[in-house]
Amino acid sequence: GQQVMQIPQYQHVQEGEDFTTYCNSSTTLSNIQWYKQRPGGHPVFLIQLVKSGEVKKQKRLTFQFGEAKKNSSLHITATQTTDVGTYFCAGWVRYSGGSNYKLTFGKGTLLTVNP
Amino acid sequence: DTGVSQNPRHKITKRGQNVTFRCDPISEHNRLYWYRQTLGQGPEFLTYFQNEAQLEKSRLLSDRFSAERPKGSFSTLEIQRTEQGDSAMYLCASSFGASTYEQYFGPGTRLTVT
Repeated sequence: GQQVMQIPQYQHVQEGEDFTTYCNSSTTLSNIQWYKQRPGGHPVFLIQLVKSGEVKKQKRLTFQFGEAKKNSSLHITATQTTDVGTYFCAGWVRYSGGSNYKLTFGKGTLLTVNP
Repeated sequence: DTGVSQNPRHKITKRGQNVTFRCDPISEHNRLYWYRQTLGQGPEFLTYFQNEAQLEKSRLLSDRFSAERPKGSFSTLEIQRTEQGDSAMYLCASSFGASTYEQYFGPGTRLTVT
């Protein structure tokens, strides 16, 4: 079945270093979303990518959607301690045999930042 | 606070007992989702409502799970005859408009089955 895979599972960086997490889907996605979950918190929506090859930036965060719409990445430049948390990608997948979609999450990448 | 709210925040129950959780979505949101999240995993889809209609239910959801959204506003998730494997964080999310729009998550209900 449809899977959304994310690597790495964990990433520890020194404050100021860059960070990248990668997301891959076994099938083409209509669009992809990224969420951040702080320790003890709930997922918070960051961004949605829709178009093939799309690149969006939010301050130090850069999001990319692959040309084939099967992969995506999130890059953080010059990490800060406030970036700590788990970053999830999530793809909209058509529910089997139906016309509705469900959001399928990757396992996430836990980012820790050493000050 | 106009965000998604969930009650209770924590629930400890003994195996075999029934539990019910409540979710109050953002008021104008017509779509409501339930997810389950365990440690080290992303949220896993359980079921989805558009207004009061339950449109999808995960095959992973056993018959012990049932969800309702009687008036298209708040929703309840009931688990009957709880098992230790049901221990998890149960998240509710809501959205407005097209099915693929961003979702707003509540703080979750953490269930521990002893």
